[in-house]
Amino acid sequence: KNEVEQSPQNLTAQEGEFITINCSYSVGISALHWLQQHPGGGIVSLFMLSSGKKKHGRLIATINIQEKHSSLHITASHPRDSAVYICAVRFFNYQLIWGAGTKLIIKP
Amino acid sequence: GAVVSQHPSWVICKSGTSVKIECRSLDFQATTMFWYRQFPKQSLMLMATSNEGSKATYEQGVEKDKFLINHASLTLSTLTVTSAHPEDSSFYICSARTGLQETQYFGPGTRLLVL
Repeated sequence: KNEVEQSPQNLTAQEGEFITINCSYSVGISALHWLQQHPGGGIVSLFMLSSGKKKHGRLIATINIQEKHSSLHITASHPRDSAVYICAVRFFNYQLIWGAGTKLIIKP
Repeated sequence: GAVVSQHPSWVICKSGTSVKIECRSLDFQATTMFWYRQFPKQSLMLMATSNEGSKATYEQGVEKDKFLINHASLTLSTLTVTSAHPEDSSFYICSARTGLQETQYFGPGTRLLVL
C-alpha cells in the first residue's frame, strides 16, 4: 500500500534555528517533491528528488532510498520561511500521494 | 522559469450556477495538467489529471460530471464546476508539466465560494 507520512505536523521555532522536516514513505518511488504553501495558498515547488541531496539557498533536501525517507532542512531560519511544507511522492505505479503537511512558524 | 496562471483568482457564485476556472501555462507547453482542491487546514487532494487532447483521468471519488475538465490546447486547461453547491467551496489549484519531466509548476489557485 502506498503511504506517505510527514512529521512534525506543527513546528514553531525561533529565528536562526536549524529546521528539519521529515517525510517517510512505504514502498519504492520514482520521485519525491518538496513544496511550500504560503498562507495565501500559493504553492511553490522547492525540490524534486530521486536520489541524493539538493541545495538551493538556505534549503537542503535529502533522500535515502534504502530507508525510504527524505528530509527538508532550513538553515538560519527566518520569519518569511513560515509556511506549510508538503512532501509529495510519486510511486512506481504512478500514483501521487501527498503528505499531510508541516506547518512551520518562525518567530522573530 | 515556467509560469502557470489561473483565472479568476477568486469567485463568489450562487448555488446552482456553474463556474469555470482557467489554468494557463504562459511560457511552456503543458502536455499534462493537474487539478487539485484544498479544504481549509487540509492537504491538497488530486482531483484529476488531463493530457492535452485526451479525456481527463479522475481520481476515485471525484464526480466527472460535476467537475468538467477540458485540456484542448497545450497552454490551457479549464475546470468547470457544474451546478455548484456550498460544499464545493474550496481552493482549486492547477499545476502543469511538460513532456516526461517530473517537475510540476503550480498556479496561484482559485478560491471558490458558493453561497
